[in-house]
Amino acid sequence: RKEVEQDPGPFNVPEGATVAFNCTYSNSASQSFFWYRQDCRKEPKLLMSVYSSGNEDGRFTAQLNRASQYISLLIRDSKLSDSATYLCVVILDTGRRALTFGSGTRLQVQP
Amino acid sequence: EPEVTQTPSHQVTQMGQEVILRCVPISNHLYFYWYRQILGQKVEFLVSFYNNEISEKSEIFDDQFSVERPDGSNFTLKIRSTKLEDSAMYFCASRRTGMNTEAFFGQGTRLTVV
Repeated sequence: RKEVEQDPGPFNVPEGATVAFNCTYSNSASQSFFWYRQDCRKEPKLLMSVYSSGNEDGRFTAQLNRASQYISLLIRDSKLSDSATYLCVVILDTGRRALTFGSGTRLQVQP
Repeated sequence: EPEVTQTPSHQVTQMGQEVILRCVPISNHLYFYWYRQILGQKVEFLVSFYNNEISEKSEIFDDQFSVERPDGSNFTLKIRSTKLEDSAMYFCASRRTGMNTEAFFGQGTRLTVV
C-alpha cells in the first residue's frame, strides 16, 4: 500500500463549482498534514496545514479524519487560477522528519 | 519574505559527469531536504539533513549521491556519475523545527543528462 495515496484526476470543473479531494495515508502514527499546490514545472507551495479540528482559509477547507486515516480539501467557488495539481503531504511519524508526498490530484477549472 | 534559493536553474550535463546542485536554505531553519521530480511523476524524497548530518535517506539516495553543508549557509547535492535516469527537477527545501511547520521549497534545478 502506498504511504500517501491520492486520486490523480484530472478533475475538470466549471468556474464557481465546489470540488473536493481526498487523500489517504497508511501510517497511523503520522503527525502532520498539509496540502501543497504545484503549478506546472514549478515548486510545491503550501496551500494550508491540516489540523485535527479542521480548518478553513477563505474558499479552502481542510479536514482530517484520524480514525479513517484520510485528509480532505474542499474548494468552493472555483476560480480559473485554482487550476493546478494539489499535493497531499504527510510527515509520517515522530522518528522521521521527511515530508512524504502523494502523487497529486490535477484540477482544471474551465470558464 | 525569506526564501530558499537554488542554483543553477537548469543544468545540462553529459552522462558520467559529476554535477553539484546548490541551495541556500532559509537562515533560521534547521531541517534541509532534497527532493526530485521526474517529469510527469510525483515528488520523491531523497535525503534530509539535520544538525550537520544526514538524518534520513531514501533508497534512491545511493552511493552516487552525497550532500554537504560546506559553510553554514549553502546546502549542496552532488551526483558523482550522472545517468540518463537522473534527469529530473531537483528541489531543495528547508523547515523549522516543531510540529505542523511547513517546508519551503526552492524553485528547483532542472537537470538534463544527455
